[in-house]
Amino acid sequence: LAKTTQPISMDSYEGQEVNITCSHNNIATNDYITWYQQFPSQGPRFIIQGYKTKVTNEVASLFIPADRKSSTLSLPRVSLSDTAVYYCLVGDDRGSTLGRLYFGRGTQLTVWP
Amino acid sequence: NAGVTQTPKFRVLKTGQSMTLLCAQDMNHEYMYWYRQDPGMGLRLIHYSVGEGTTAKGEVPDGYNVSRLKKQNFLLGLESAAPSQTSVYFCATGQGIEYDVSYEQYFGPGTRLTVT
Repeated sequence: LAKTTQPISMDSYEGQEVNITCSHNNIATNDYITWYQQFPSQGPRFIIQGYKTKVTNEVASLFIPADRKSSTLSLPRVSLSDTAVYYCLVGDDRGSTLGRLYFGRGTQLTVWP
Repeated sequence: NAGVTQTPKFRVLKTGQSMTLLCAQDMNHEYMYWYRQDPGMGLRLIHYSVGEGTTAKGEVPDGYNVSRLKKQNFLLGLESAAPSQTSVYFCATGQGIEYDVSYEQYFGPGTRLTVT
């Protein structure tokens, strides 16, 4: 089971860059790494996905080292509205990669003024 | 486009009662999922479907049944509700590409269920 390990919580101030690291030692060869954001009383929202090296979109960057046993979500210049729970996901390789995901407990990011 | 909708938004059941949660999508996605979220537990996959007429068990399937009679709808049933099924239920959809799986999922707003 390709489980993930993330810090339970992180704090930051507005305008700072935040890096959230996720460990996934048992990631399978064909698994992608995906990050989601969840606000209270809402469903999770897709942020970014990657397979290796670096991926960047308008919201965040995702850094994946060569061994792919960890990944880092980078949020540039956070604001109060970035306060949320962030989940790192990898595929659940139980002989099939079809539609299996493992959401851990996520990281509660709190941004202070 | 409505995206992913869930019905109802809230429900209170007594132990032993039954109910069905409806998830509907207009995104033409093949994959649909049902998750439950309990405080401090993250999301856990109950059942999923990779296409019309198919269903499969997830991490915590006991006490639930599902059906996918139409591509756009995914139903989650509780035959005999128990207090342990008090939770927030989320439906999600995804395109899902075999052997090169994309895990980009789109979630509904959730159904808050309380079983007394």
